[in-house]
Amino acid sequence: DSGVTQTPKHLITATGQRVTLRCSPRSGDLSVYWYQQSLDQGLQFLIQYYNGEERAKGNILERFSAQQFPDLHSELNLSSLELGDSALYFCASSPLAGGQDTQYFGPGTRLTVL
Amino acid sequence: AQSVTQPDIHITVSEGASLELRCNYSYGATPYLFWYVQSPGQGLQLLLKYFSGDTLVQGIKGFEAEFKRSQSSFNLRKPSVHWSDAAEYFCAVGDPGTYKYIFGTGTRLKVLA
Repeated sequence: DSGVTQTPKHLITATGQRVTLRCSPRSGDLSVYWYQQSLDQGLQFLIQYYNGEERAKGNILERFSAQQFPDLHSELNLSSLELGDSALYFCASSPLAGGQDTQYFGPGTRLTVL
Repeated sequence: AQSVTQPDIHITVSEGASLELRCNYSYGATPYLFWYVQSPGQGLQLLLKYFSGDTLVQGIKGFEAEFKRSQSSFNLRKPSVHWSDAAEYFCAVGDPGTYKYIFGTGTRLKVLA
């Protein structure tokens, strides 16, 4: 158990819909990262937040957005969903913001778009 | 641009045999290097990491990796594989300038009894 929690574990929705994925980092960790894992794209870094502020942005679509709240939990919002958005979405956390930090991964949220 | 290459998509070894998983990276300086393991249905777990210093690093579960600057490689090794090592292994590069991680495409390890 990494100490990172993600809810829900599974999510099934329809195209065009909007969903919110939630992540609670390990106690004391200030950074939260979001990743998308799919069979054709592999593990893709989406976005990082550090202490409430966006720190780094990867291959995140404009239909996707995220935020980190004062209590350090984070939410990833996916809108206008398409079939291709079906994937496993991981959240990770780390103590600080540097690239040398070990990231602790949550169990993931499996999103299925029908 | 930074990149990470894991040339082997699948590897099959017999239990008790030695293992080497390859990882090559492209980066302007010495990046931070990581190996993670993902068991079926699980998140990723850190096996080991390299920032500087001794180029041979020891990790958990009996794994080690060697950083070779001249080859831009960070290969993962284990002298004797156990059936429980069957999983997917990811090499990753951490950029200290941009805070981004780049993951390789992964190598899926199958262990034969």
